[in-house]
Formats: sequence, C-alpha cells, structure tokens
Amino acid sequence: AQSVTQLDSQVPVFEEAPVELRCNYSSSVSVYLFWYVQYPNQGLQLLLKYLSGSTLVESINGFEAEFNKSQTSFHLRKPSVHISDTAEYFCAVRATGNQFYFGTGTSLTVIP
Amino acid sequence: DVKVTQSSRYLVKRTGEKVFLECVQDMDHENMFWYRQDPGLGLRLIYFSYDVKMKEKGDIPEGYSVSREKKERFSLILESASTNQTSMYLCASSVDPYEQYFGPGTRLTVT
Repeated sequence: AQSVTQLDSQVPVFEEAPVELRCNYSSSVSVYLFWYVQYPNQGLQLLLKYLSGSTLVESINGFEAEFNKSQTSFHLRKPSVHISDTAEYFCAVRATGNQFYFGTGTSLTVIP
Repeated sequence: DVKVTQSSRYLVKRTGEKVFLECVQDMDHENMFWYRQDPGLGLRLIYFSYDVKMKEKGDIPEGYSVSREKKERFSLILESASTNQTSMYLCASSVDPYEQYFGPGTRLTVT
C-alpha cells in the first residue's frame, strides 16, 4: 500500500509571502498525484493534479506543484499568498487499483 | 459540473442507533468512496465500490457496512452507533484514472 507524508501539520505565513507545502509518497511506481483544498465546513475540492506529461502543474489561483520522481515528492508552492488561501490542504496519491491514499493534511494560515 | 450530495450536513444520534448516511452523484461515475475525517488523522477510507452491488473494505471498515443498489447512490450504515464514530464523513466519486469529487460532508455526533 502507498503512504503519503505531509510533514508540516500547520504552516503560518504572512500575507504576500511565498509558501511551500511538502508532500512525499512511498512508492516510485507509476502514480497519479493530487492536491486538494478544504475550506472550513466544506468538502474537499481539487486544486491541481499530475497524471502524465509536464512535471510542473498549475492551478487557476496561482498554486503550482512539481512531480519529482527521484525524490517521490509533489510539493505545493505559491509565490504570494492571500488571506483567502487559509485552508486545509491534502496531498493524495492514486497508484494501481481504485484506491486513493491521503496525507494527514497541512493547515495553512495566512496572517494579515 | 460533477455534483456529489450527502443527505445531511449535521446529524446527532444516540449510542446504539442504526444510522444511514446517503450519498448521490450525478455524473455516472463507476467508483464511489466513504471516508471519515478526524483531526490529525486526515482522511481514512472506510469502504469503496467500483460497481453496483460491489464493495471493497478500506482501512477502517469495522462497525460500518455499505450498500450500492444503484450506480448513483452509495449508502454508509452504522449498525450500532458508538461515541467513537463521532466524526466528519465524506463521500466521493471518481472515474478511472482521474480525481475524486467530494460531497460537502456529514458531521455526525453520537451521544
């Protein structure tokens, strides 16, 4: 089975500063990778995904993530955060089969 | 847009009650999932289904069962609710090999 590690449970950052949320997974076999965002009292929404092709993927609201096969990582970055980015972020991996594996989440708090 | 709906946003039940959580998706997805979400533990898979009447146990199936009689509907059943089943329950659907779409969640409190 896969395991997904999000080492940082909480990340406070000042508004307009850059941020990186780290995600590592356990297997180097072919995987599909996802970042989800969860705003308070809501379900998870897809932020971005890597299925194949370019290893750098972007979301419509300025986040990006890079698939690094050799380091089995899929870190999420944003060059300048806004207050509205305050949320819980989950990294997920789908390998063979139908099952998805989620990290324990990173709570991003943007400080005015 | 894919829509996944869950029957209740908030639910309060008593210990020992039988509890039904319903999930409906409108995009003809083959796969449906039930997770519970607890602080510090992330999402843990309870059951998933890849076809009508088919089900697979996830990581924490004990105390739960599921039913999928129609493709669009996936029900989670707590046979005899206990206080340690107080949690946020999330339903999701997907079509291979793409992302999951989540419902808004049901916050269940068992007293």
